[in-house]
Amino acid sequence: EPEVTQTPSHQVTQMGQEVILRCVPISNHLYFYWYRQILGQKVEFLVSFYNNEISEKSEIFDDQFSVERPDGSNFTLKIRSTKLEDSAMYFCASLTDGTYGYTFGSGTRLTVV
Amino acid sequence: GNSVTQMEGPVTLSEEAFLTINCTYTATGYPSLFWYVQYPGEGLQLLLKATKADDKGSNKGFEATYRKETTSFHLEKGSVQVSDSAVYFCALTRPNTNAGKSTFGDGTTLTVKP
Repeated sequence: EPEVTQTPSHQVTQMGQEVILRCVPISNHLYFYWYRQILGQKVEFLVSFYNNEISEKSEIFDDQFSVERPDGSNFTLKIRSTKLEDSAMYFCASLTDGTYGYTFGSGTRLTVV
Repeated sequence: GNSVTQMEGPVTLSEEAFLTINCTYTATGYPSLFWYVQYPGEGLQLLLKATKADDKGSNKGFEATYRKETTSFHLEKGSVQVSDSAVYFCALTRPNTNAGKSTFGDGTTLTVKP
C-alpha cells in the first residue's frame, strides 16, 4: 500500500535555529498538507499546497514557516527560527480527492530546546 | 466556521465491551466525515469515512453513520479488543471543496483492559 514518508522521525534543535522537515507524498496525489499535534492531542492545520503553491494556511503558519516542493517529489516544511512552542509532532499528509481522506506520514517529532 | 466536538475521554473499557465515541459537527452544506486512529507512538491512520447523509462507514469492526439530522458521526464497535487501545479523532472536510483542509476533534483516548 502506498505510503507517505517523513524524515527525520525525531529532530532536536536549539531555539533560533532553522529546521527543515521532509516528506515524500504518494506519487499520484495532488494535494499536500502539513499538520501539527502538540502533546499527542489536538491536530492543527498548518498549510495546504496544490499546483505548486499554497492554497490555504492557518494563523499558526506565520512568516517563520515556509513550504516548497522543489523537485516534484519531496514536500518540505521549513521553520526559519524555531521557538520553544514549535515543539510538536509534525505530520505530512497527501490526498487525491477530499472524499477519500488523508494518507498521513508517521510524523516528525520536533523538540526545540 | 466548521467545528468538530468529540466525547471527552479518556474511555476505559474491558475487552469485548461495546464502544461508542460520540462526535458531532458544525458545518454548512455537506462535509465529508472521517474517523482517524492513532496508535501509541504512531501517526494517524484513516479508519473509516462517509461522504453523504445516511452513509455508513465501516472498517475493522468499527462503524459510523453520517446523520445529517443530528449532525453526528458516532463511532461504534460491538466488541473491543486490547489492540483497539488508541486515540480516535473525528474529522470533517469542508463542504463543497475538492480537497480542503480538515477540521479535527480533540481526540478521545481509548484504553481496553484484558
